[in-house]
Amino acid sequence: AQKVTQAQTEISVVEKEDVTLDCVYETRDTTYYLFWYKQPPSGELVFLIRRNSFDEQNEISGRYSWNFQKSTSSFNFTITASQVVDSAVYFCALLQTGANNLFFGTGTRLTVIP
Amino acid sequence: DTGVSQDPRHKITKRGQNVTFRCDPISEHNRLYWYRQTLGQGPEFLTYFQNEAQLEKSRLLSDRFSAERPKGSFSTLEIQRTEQGDSAMYLCASSRRGGKNYEQYFGPGTRLTVT
Repeated sequence: AQKVTQAQTEISVVEKEDVTLDCVYETRDTTYYLFWYKQPPSGELVFLIRRNSFDEQNEISGRYSWNFQKSTSSFNFTITASQVVDSAVYFCALLQTGANNLFFGTGTRLTVIP
Repeated sequence: DTGVSQDPRHKITKRGQNVTFRCDPISEHNRLYWYRQTLGQGPEFLTYFQNEAQLEKSRLLSDRFSAERPKGSFSTLEIQRTEQGDSAMYLCASSRRGGKNYEQYFGPGTRLTVT
């Protein structure tokens, strides 16, 4: 069984604030992959990051950073100094070993207010 | 590289009509996926192709749905006798050959409205 929970349905922040989007997952696999995608109002899902289950090293890419903690089954995403262009729906997704399809959470809608 | 493209971007149809969507994956990608996304939800997997072979179909893919990828390049998704419950965004994704099925790249989607 697999499950991806994004408990935050909607978040609003003022521009330049930091914001963290939470993702908690469940899987019986010991090897799996986790992803974050961004879906702006145009609708296209944009790949942001992939993380392997055996690599718990945190990653930073510009204003984006990801915190993977296997002990708590969480893969959280932080945007530093948010900008209006960050407004979008963000999805966390899980790919189990041997599976072909991504399993998505329900998404978090982020609104950055200028 | 051009990205994944989908056509049409929007489709409005009356209940009972058939519709067909097209997806052109990234050129060197041999894996192609179809997902469906309803309002307020994440995408849900429909089916998967490796080259021209359809290797997996989810339970969401009822008998009214059929997908093809005849030459291992573009793919079509047809819905017969559409129902209002079919209204959704249909997303296509592709990934590269070899290795794991990660880093799926998505197209802009086809938004279907069944009236």
